[in-house]
Amino acid sequence: DAGVIQSPRHEVTEMGQEVTLRCKPISGHNSLFWYRQTMMRGLELLIYFNNNVPIDDSGMPEDRFSAKMPNASFSTLKIQPSEPRDSAVYFCASSGDYSWGTEAFFGQGTRLTVV
Amino acid sequence: KQEVTQIPAALSVPEGENLVLNCSFTDSAIYNLQWFRQDPGKGLTSLLLIQSSQREQTSGRLNASLDKSSGRSTLYIAASQPGDSATYLCAPRGAGNMLTFGGGTRLMVKP
Repeated sequence: DAGVIQSPRHEVTEMGQEVTLRCKPISGHNSLFWYRQTMMRGLELLIYFNNNVPIDDSGMPEDRFSAKMPNASFSTLKIQPSEPRDSAVYFCASSGDYSWGTEAFFGQGTRLTVV
Repeated sequence: KQEVTQIPAALSVPEGENLVLNCSFTDSAIYNLQWFRQDPGKGLTSLLLIQSSQREQTSGRLNASLDKSSGRSTLYIAASQPGDSATYLCAPRGAGNMLTFGGGTRLMVKP
């Protein structure tokens, strides 16, 4: 398997524009996580899906953020409208069910810059 | 809410030293704990997964221990090399299936 695949790797956009980040989890994994990493706050969990259903979105900072998982092989994180404070590295991770004791694997991240 | 603390925040050692990275967490009701490595500008690479029922897990020069009841884990790196320079993150997996990360230990191994 190619691992967790994220696109794009880098995104530069202007304030107010819509940004869509994409993630393809590892085949067979049923849990998917979106994290955000900044120097100030470290790694923060934004939202977690299990079997394509959002389970916990308490980390989503505000209504400008939304995430979907239409099927087991694809998820998106959308920011509309984007603001400079959204600049960060966004990571997607996937794993098997926690009860299986499986590892979580991370994608290479999307570095978002909002100017 | 799970809180994870990693000590030290930064560490600089000469090549060849054995070293210990510490991780503590507040909620001991965890399923497992993972140690990750992150190189600058890169993603997270999984190093070791230790189940809640295990005390230790080894991979090459790395050994992770877990004391769930006291909320502690350590990562032992034997015979450190310059290529080990990176940030090391621990992440217990607990309620709600979530991984909660500490702030990491930034390791520099000098030749």
